[in-house]
Amino acid sequence: DQQVKQNSPSLSVQEGRISILNCDYTNSMFDYFLWYKKYPAEGPTFLISISSIKDKNEDGRFTVFLNKSAKHLSLHIVPSQPGDSAVYFCAARKTSYDKVIFGPGTSLSVIP
Amino acid sequence: DAGITQSPRHKVTETGTPVTLRCHQTENHRYMYWYRQDPGHGLRLIHYSYGVKDTDKGEVSDGYSVSRSKTEDFLLTLESATSSQTSVYFCAIRVEANEKLFFGSGTQLSVL
Repeated sequence: DQQVKQNSPSLSVQEGRISILNCDYTNSMFDYFLWYKKYPAEGPTFLISISSIKDKNEDGRFTVFLNKSAKHLSLHIVPSQPGDSAVYFCAARKTSYDKVIFGPGTSLSVIP
Repeated sequence: DAGITQSPRHKVTETGTPVTLRCHQTENHRYMYWYRQDPGHGLRLIHYSYGVKDTDKGEVSDGYSVSRSKTEDFLLTLESATSSQTSVYFCAIRVEANEKLFFGSGTQLSVL
């Protein structure tokens, strides 16, 4: 039973437009959420995170929104660039010392 | 790359043989993790360690064992490899100061 879900396996966006990647979770005990980006043949790299006490966190072109009541978070990339083409993983954990659980990933293609 | 090295990078083995993957870190982090990545499943946690000789199971631990006799090394062993264990294996460390996970470059394992 997946606790972290990313229901869109793939997404295609035009360069310069907004990319919105969605993530849903089932465990209400999760209190910290992360997004990772992965290029082929490389390990995942950290992108942005958000604590459950916030509803928004921004870092340059990347913004993560958290809706706790809906158990939903989204990653917005504005503007999208071809170099953003990668697989994006949503992840969550319960407490500071708990394991991090990842979703299945969304493959983003940014078309020039 | 947070000083993480995985070895080997690629391995082909036969069903029924034991296999050991190594993860080495140079920065003395307490938490280390083994994940496997498979299409449609994302990154699934196999085992993790929170200190020397302190390990715990993750989501998909059956068929795997781990050992951590030194802070810098975390070994993943497939006691008797099966074709379902063909996957890409990632080691990660957690930087406690910022709670981020940093991943190694991965090991592509093929069990024939």
